[in-house]
Amino acid sequence: AQSVTQLGSHVSVSEGALVLLRCNYSSSVPPYLFWYVQYPNQGLQLLLKYTSAATLVKGINGFEAEFKKSETSFHLTKPSAHMSDAAEYFCAVRISNTGKLIFGQGTTLQVKP
Amino acid sequence: AAGVIQSPRHLIKEKRETATLKCYPIPRHDTVYWYQQGPGQDPQFLISFYEKMQSDKGSIPDRFSAQQFSDYHSELNMSSLELGDSALYFCASSIQGPWQSTDTQYFGPGTRLTVL
Repeated sequence: AQSVTQLGSHVSVSEGALVLLRCNYSSSVPPYLFWYVQYPNQGLQLLLKYTSAATLVKGINGFEAEFKKSETSFHLTKPSAHMSDAAEYFCAVRISNTGKLIFGQGTTLQVKP
Repeated sequence: AAGVIQSPRHLIKEKRETATLKCYPIPRHDTVYWYQQGPGQDPQFLISFYEKMQSDKGSIPDRFSAQQFSDYHSELNMSSLELGDSALYFCASSIQGPWQSTDTQYFGPGTRLTVL
């Protein structure tokens, strides 16, 4: 079965510091992975996606993620955190034969001034 | 750019009442997915449609039903509402179809359902 696990339900960083949100996947077939961001009381916005074209994926708002097969990871990073990055972040894997997304538990990012 | 539209944005119902949630996909998108997000939880897949046919079904209670219409909008009908149905309900749409590996889902703002 395909699944993702997000390590750390809460991450707190200072403004300007590196952001690292961890996601590990489990899949017996090549996975298609996504990161979504959810601001308070809003919907899910696509940050970036991995669809096997390139292992380093650049997304919106300065975020990027690197697919590492050897580590079964797809961690999300941003070199310098901004106050507006405070939100809930979800990693998701697309189930290959149905299209549905299976989400991780989510990581709340807090950015301190 | 046009986005997924969901209505209503907020809905308050009593136990045992019915509710209908509507989703209007991005133009030219023919696939719709429904997800339920409980308080403090990750979204859980409910059901999906492709070209007006059900393509997959998840952990959707028998009290819930859904369909996709000829104009590709979708409705989620919920009957005999329970307190536990209180959640944020998301609709997502995509253009390539559920069996295309590069298919990407775009989410609407959600409908917040509160059952009292």
